[in-house]
Parts: sequence; C-alpha cells; structure tokens
Amino acid sequence: AQSVTQPDIHITVSEGASLELRCNYSYGATPYLFWYVQSPGQGLQLLLKYFSGDTLVQGIKGFEAEFKRSQSSFNLRKPSVHWSDAAEYFCAVGAQGTYKYIFGTGTRLKVLA
Amino acid sequence: DADVTQTPRNRITKTGKRIMLECSQTKGHDRMYWYRQDPGLGLRLIYYSFDVKDINKGEISDGYSVSRQAQAKFSLSLESAIPNQTALYFCATSEGVGEQYFGPGTRLTVT
Repeated sequence: AQSVTQPDIHITVSEGASLELRCNYSYGATPYLFWYVQSPGQGLQLLLKYFSGDTLVQGIKGFEAEFKRSQSSFNLRKPSVHWSDAAEYFCAVGAQGTYKYIFGTGTRLKVLA
Repeated sequence: DADVTQTPRNRITKTGKRIMLECSQTKGHDRMYWYRQDPGLGLRLIYYSFDVKDINKGEISDGYSVSRQAQAKFSLSLESAIPNQTALYFCATSEGVGEQYFGPGTRLTVT
C-alpha cells in the first residue's frame, strides 16, 4: 500500500542547532517528493521538491533534503535552526500519471531560545 | 493578493445545517483539491477536480459534495453538518502532479 511515514510527531531543538526531520515512503511508482511547512493559522507552503536528477535538493529558508531510493527516504535538514522555523512540517508523495498526493501525518517542530 | 483564497476563514455551525466553503484561485491551474486536516492524521483528500467537467471523489467524500463553477472556483458543501466534520479544511491547486498551492484554510466547528 502507498504510504508516507513521519516517525517523529514532535521534535524540540535549540535555536542554532541542526535539524533533521525524517520521511519514509512506500510507493510503487517513481515518486515525486515534497516537503511543506505549515505555520500556525496558515496554509501549507512548499519548502522543496524532488522529481529527478540530483538527489540533494535545496529549498527555501535554508532547508535541504536528500532522496535515498535504497532507503525509501526523503529527510529534511537544516544546519542551523531559527526560532521562526517553529511550525509543522509535512512530507508528501505524488507520481506522474496519478491524481493523488499522499501526505505524512506531520512533525511539529518546537525551537527553544 | 493571495493565489488561493478561501471563504469563510472561520465558521461555527449547528448539527444538521447546510454549509458551503468556497475556494478561488488565480494560478490558472486546472487541478483543484479539497482536503481536511485533523490533528495527528495529516491531510486527507475529500474531492478533486481536473477541470470543470471532471470531478472525482477522494478518500473521505461521504457527507460532502463539491461544485466546480469555473476553472478558478471550487466549492465544498456539507449538506447536513455533523460534529465529526469539525476540522480545518484546505483548498489547493496544482499544475499536473507538481507543487500544490494551498489556501489559508477554513476552520469549521460543528456544534
């Protein structure tokens, strides 16, 4: 079955520390992969996406993610977290030829000053 | 101006009432979607539309209906609202299976 797993429901990091949010997927087709961020009271905003090519992709706000086909993972990273990064982060998968995006259940990030 | 707008932003209604949530987009995309978000469940697809004449059920369409009035407008209706439809509702658009653009959401409470 197609699925996206974000194993960490909550993560707390100190400002300035590095961050890695995990995303694993199960998808029969070649996936298109996305990370979105949702700030309180806001809709979802795209951080970055992977369709093909270089497996390390850069996004907005200093985020990057690495696609590892062998591990079915697409983890999100940031070298130094800012207090404004506190939000909920969603990993999503889609595929060419389908209508459907599958979203993970989200990881809520808290940043300590 | 925002690419995807939703009205209302907040709504409290009573059980059994009919309610409509509206979505408009200026992206010029053919594909539009309605999702609901519940804590711990992520986003679940209610309906999606590839164009004005192509409307399809998503994974949780029971109790909901939609109307695609124009390429830019996609409305979600709850014919007879019930408390477990209390949730945050999002409209989104996309070009193919690319990035989705989300509206700001409508927080619906059914009492």
